[in-house]
Amino acid sequence: AQSVTQPDIHITVSEGASLELRCNYSYGATPYLFWYVQSPGQGLQLLLKYFSGDTLVQGIKGFEAEFKRSQSSFNLRKPSVHWSDAAEYFCAVGASNFGNEKLTFGTGTRLTIIP
Amino acid sequence: NAGVTQTPKFQVLKTGQSMTLQCAQDMNHEYMSWYRQDPGMGLRLIHYSVGAGITDQGEVPNGYNVSRSTTEDFPLRLLSAAPSQTSVYFCASRARGLVDEKLFFGSGTQLSVL
Repeated sequence: AQSVTQPDIHITVSEGASLELRCNYSYGATPYLFWYVQSPGQGLQLLLKYFSGDTLVQGIKGFEAEFKRSQSSFNLRKPSVHWSDAAEYFCAVGASNFGNEKLTFGTGTRLTIIP
Repeated sequence: NAGVTQTPKFQVLKTGQSMTLQCAQDMNHEYMSWYRQDPGMGLRLIHYSVGAGITDQGEVPNGYNVSRSTTEDFPLRLLSAAPSQTSVYFCASRARGLVDEKLFFGSGTQLSVL
């Protein structure tokens, strides 16, 4: 069964500083990996996704993530955060085999931005 | 397009009451699902459907029923509400059953069971 671990419950960074949110997954084959963002009182919105190919993927809002198979990680990064990036971020993993439609989410990392 | 619409946005129930959370999408998506979100536990899959007439259980199905009679609608039923079902519920849909498709989320239903 697939699983996702987000080790950081809450991260605080200064506006303009760089950001890295950690995600580790467990899955026997090549996974489908996602990062979603949830603003307060809203549903989740897809930031980026990885299926195959280039291990560095670009997403919306200036975010990027790097897939590292050897470390079973898919960390999310942004070079310079903006106050509007304050939200909760979820990493998710899905199976790559047809017939398994489930997407498993991590427990989330809440990001606070200080001026 | 309205996307994924959930109703109601807020609901308070007494233990033992029943209710249905509504979810509708206007994108002709085959796949629809229900998640619950609890503090420190992220989103957990309750039930999902890969098309009209086809449903399956997720990670936490107990206490919930679903049916999918049309492509557009995927209601979630609580037959006898319990305080443990206090949570925020999200409906999500995607174009096909394959997991590589983007999930579209509704804005959520906040449910309190007293």
